[in-house]
Amino acid sequence: NAGVTQTPKFQVLKTGQSMTLQCAQDMNHNSMYWYRQDPGMGLRLIYYSASEGTTDKGEVPNGYNVSRLNKREFSLRLESAAPSQTSVYFCASSELIGGPYEQYFGPGTRLTVT
Amino acid sequence: GESVGLHLPTLSVQEGDNSIINCAYSNSASDYFIWYKQESGKGPQFIIDIRSNMDKRQGQRVTVLLNKTVKHLSLQIAATQPGDSAVYFCAESGSDYKLSFGAGTTVTVRA
Repeated sequence: NAGVTQTPKFQVLKTGQSMTLQCAQDMNHNSMYWYRQDPGMGLRLIYYSASEGTTDKGEVPNGYNVSRLNKREFSLRLESAAPSQTSVYFCASSELIGGPYEQYFGPGTRLTVT
Repeated sequence: GESVGLHLPTLSVQEGDNSIINCAYSNSASDYFIWYKQESGKGPQFIIDIRSNMDKRQGQRVTVLLNKTVKHLSLQIAATQPGDSAVYFCAESGSDYKLSFGAGTTVTVRA
């Protein structure tokens, strides 16, 4: 039982490049989330998916897109990376029905945009 | 918008002492609160949660207190150990079930 896994762990991009961050969970959770964490700050919600087939914007969605590929997988795409998107990205999952309940987090992807 | 925040960004504690980490929230409609621990280079790890119909909940060496009157949340860690050194985040959730996080308190345990 791996919990929440994220790939890659580290990534360096040049301004304007695109990339997709991958996330998968094996806990059969309905809901999945993408956050970013900047130095000295808490986590800010980028996008979330309350259940398979749905996605919604969070607090800071500009510059990002997401895909809920199936119940297990939720990807985050940067179409044209900008230095302001340098951050640590965390994926999380939780059971939502009857909730809220605690969210389980992955280890993070450290992204640098130069 | 309304947000969750912590009173102090850093806390230094002697090993063996009890730690108290405070959090103030402003959304009176929030009904679920949670504490996370984040060690360097890792993702946040669940510690304990509490719903608004309770004012106290205990776990292993941790206690969360909720005071809805003054919109205050605290995390107490008993007999603090070196492994407790980390950043601690409180978060709250309302009817939309999304979590809003505070900025975090860095706890350093002195030997």
